[in-house]
Amino acid sequence: EAGVTQFPSHSVIEKGQTVTLRCDPISGHDNLYWYRRVMGKEIKFLLHFVKESKQDESGMPNNRFLAERTGGTYSTLKVQPAELEDSGVYFCASSRGGSLARYTFGSGTRLTVV
Amino acid sequence: AQSVTQLGSHVSVSEGALVLLRCNYSSSVPPYLFWYVQYPNQGLQLLLKYTTGATLVKGINGFEAEFKKSETSFHLTKPSAHMSDAAEYFCAVSEGNFGNEKLTFGTGTRLTIIP
Repeated sequence: EAGVTQFPSHSVIEKGQTVTLRCDPISGHDNLYWYRRVMGKEIKFLLHFVKESKQDESGMPNNRFLAERTGGTYSTLKVQPAELEDSGVYFCASSRGGSLARYTFGSGTRLTVV
Repeated sequence: AQSVTQLGSHVSVSEGALVLLRCNYSSSVPPYLFWYVQYPNQGLQLLLKYTTGATLVKGINGFEAEFKKSETSFHLTKPSAHMSDAAEYFCAVSEGNFGNEKLTFGTGTRLTIIP
């Protein structure tokens, strides 16, 4: 089975610009999660989709971040406008419902805001 | 609220020596516990997990961890380090609520293997 795919793998943008990250989960995985790791710190939960619905978005840092999951398939995370503190690695993960131990992570997108 | 503490952001061991990476957690309910590894330029890979049952859990690449409820610990060990073990390791906890399986991670431990 194909894994969780994220792209781009790297993105360098200027402060104030917009960036959109994409995550393609494993086919059939209803649950999709976004996490972020700011340099040197812990990996932090951002939000959780069940199919196309946001189940939990308690980790979203502010309203410059917008996540969508079209038709319950792939998901996008848009940052607009980007700030320096948004730099970090953004991870996506997916799982089947109720199978916590079968989380699968993508390779992440490294975002650098300059 | 749950939390994870990993003692030591950097650990160095000689090739062939014991690897011990420490993880303590707090959780209001019986936890599900995980260790993930991230090799350079790769994503997070599950090493092992504890959900219920046997408290000594064996994972991939010769790693194992023991859940100790009285000590709220889930330390990761490997008897003999190999050069290929050089990576960053993350301990994580989840309360395992059905339908809300978000993970809370520690800050990570970077393991260096000395030849």
